[in-house]
Amino acid sequence: TQLLEQSPQFLSIQEGENLTVYCNSSSVFSSLQWYRQEPGEGPVLLVTVVTGGEVKKLKRLTFQFGDARKDSSLHITAAQPGDTGLYLCAGDRDSGYALNFGKGTSLLVTP
Amino acid sequence: DTAVSQTPKYLVTQMGNDKSIKCEQNLGHDTMYWYKQDSKKFLKIMFSYNNKELIINETVPNRFSPKSPDKAHLNLHINSLELGDSAVYFCASSQSTWSGSEQYFGPGTRLTVT
Repeated sequence: TQLLEQSPQFLSIQEGENLTVYCNSSSVFSSLQWYRQEPGEGPVLLVTVVTGGEVKKLKRLTFQFGDARKDSSLHITAAQPGDTGLYLCAGDRDSGYALNFGKGTSLLVTP
Repeated sequence: DTAVSQTPKYLVTQMGNDKSIKCEQNLGHDTMYWYKQDSKKFLKIMFSYNNKELIINETVPNRFSPKSPDKAHLNLHINSLELGDSAVYFCASSQSTWSGSEQYFGPGTRLTVT
């Protein structure tokens, strides 16, 4: 089983602060995805990274895929209350079908 | 227009009962999934279907039986419900079986077994 470890598990910060969430594994992934889940809803895809060392930006969110394709990070600049939610990383499974999810980072941004 | 819909949204039932959760996607996707999210928010794959054919069956008890009447629908039937089945169940779909494909999730069905 390809395990994905996310850290921190919980994060509570004030509006305007920066933060980084990490997703680590001992396994190599051909692709890795980040999802955000809000209470009472299903996860929604933020980004897919496929190339080692790749950096993708989505407004104030910056995603990086490690050179060895075993880890990824999500950096949020100047966090806003609307960023509150559960952030999940997910990597492809050995079979190539479906995804293995990390246990998530629960982010709370207070005004 | 909802892309992936599930019914019901909430399901409260007693141990031993049989229940079904329905899922429909209007995205024209070939692949559909069922995931279980436990109380600690851990999301785990249960089943995956491609064009009505089962391609993933995780170590899920036989009491869980998915049924795909056509590629737009993937229903989940659960027999003899147990307390440990309480969780949020998510249906999802994607354009292909490639794990890098974006997965579109439904709103979830919160199952409570008493």
